[in-house]
Amino acid sequence: QKEVEQNSGPLSVPEGAIASLNCTYSDRGSQSFFWYRQYSGKSPELIMFIYSNGDKEDGRFTAQLNKASQYVSLLIRDSQPSDSATYLCAARRDTGRRALTFGSGTRLQVQP
Amino acid sequence: DVKVTQSSRYLVKRTGEKVFLECVQDMDHENMFWYRQDPGLGLRLIYFSYDVKMKEKGDIPEGYSVSREKKERFSLILESASTNQTSMYLCASSGLPGRDDGGSNQPQHFGDGTRLSIL
Repeated sequence: QKEVEQNSGPLSVPEGAIASLNCTYSDRGSQSFFWYRQYSGKSPELIMFIYSNGDKEDGRFTAQLNKASQYVSLLIRDSQPSDSATYLCAARRDTGRRALTFGSGTRLQVQP
Repeated sequence: DVKVTQSSRYLVKRTGEKVFLECVQDMDHENMFWYRQDPGLGLRLIYFSYDVKMKEKGDIPEGYSVSREKKERFSLILESASTNQTSMYLCASSGLPGRDDGGSNQPQHFGDGTRLSIL
């Protein structure tokens, strides 16, 4: 079992819709969670991080964390074609190894 | 803004060569990381460093070594390049957790990547 699991997609949504990207993790020692966006041929860029249970909003993006269920999600409201990319979920322990463990990513396609 | 600079965007080398990939960050970050990214396998951690002259193995260190002589620079070395090391290599850096952020608000920032081809 991978430590961080994501559905590879593609997830296809129409322009203006809400895109929901999901991620589960197996290491209960993970405390911080990060969402990165990666365009084809480019390096990952940070969208949001979350470390408390509940929701965290930043513009059109909302990250949700449920530590009891070991579940992280990213909602993108009013999806735009420019949001089409691969979204990487990552988890990190805050003790011991501080490197991120990444999921394989979900490819999102926003249809105009 | 954090700037992580990788020395080459594209690199072509031959089997058996010793290859150096350089990474420099300008934010005085303590932590630096090297990943490789392959289709279907995602980002995998090769090596990381918490401080100057310190290094720790990641998940796939075989065939690689690293050097961190200065805080801002972290080098990845392919001792004897092989074709299965053809990949996208990504360097990242992050600071230490702060006192007022629950110890968690230090995301990694990535360089633009080096696409390495071993022929």
